[in-house]
Amino acid sequence: QSALTQPASVSGSPGQSITISCTGTSSDVGGYNYVSWYQQHPGKAPKLMIYEVSNRPSGVPDRFSGSKSGNTASLTISGLQAEDEADYYCSSYTSSSTVVFGGGTKLTVL
Amino acid sequence: EVQLVESGGGLVQPGRSLRLSCAASGFTFDDYAMHWVRQAPGKGLEWVSGISWNSGSIGYADSVKGRFTISRDNAKNSLYLQMNSLRAEDTALYYCAKSDYFDYWGQGTLVTVSS
Repeated sequence: QSALTQPASVSGSPGQSITISCTGTSSDVGGYNYVSWYQQHPGKAPKLMIYEVSNRPSGVPDRFSGSKSGNTASLTISGLQAEDEADYYCSSYTSSSTVVFGGGTKLTVL
Repeated sequence: EVQLVESGGGLVQPGRSLRLSCAASGFTFDDYAMHWVRQAPGKGLEWVSGISWNSGSIGYADSVKGRFTISRDNAKNSLYLQMNSLRAEDTALYYCAKSDYFDYWGQGTLVTVSS
């Protein structure tokens, strides 16, 4: 199972919006609405930010939103804040009944 | 408060075995699937294995299939990962995660495979 494809890095200024893409295949992202996004700060455990493509767990700011079109899922962060600087990972359920992660995207807030 | 505490990591020689444990508290353990996810130093996340609430459904990544065994003891609120025939590429921080959404994570236990 190949990893999902994410850009290695994205950046934005405070207050701006950014979008991170996550591209898979019809056997994972495109075939199921079980795409999640995780935020990981250095030295910390990952934190669930989005599940089932576009749902936010309690406590996650509504500045974070998710969507999907075909084989590509996206995470959008609006109103960027300094504390959003972190690594972001997508994941998807697969047709093999496994889970695959993206390679991760480093978000820099300029 | 949900807590997941991993243990059992350490330095081990290639070819040897190690058993990881994850102690869960703060939620009804046997209501949820549980998973192991690892992260090699400086690298991304890799799903390792998952187990359903009643152990009736189990899955493994191709990279560990046949070498690792996941199990759980609902009476002890504990998740386990038996790792055999360890390789250098298994070196990583191993996290346990709650539910199929990975909505809570432990802090991880470090496994280093080296001679």
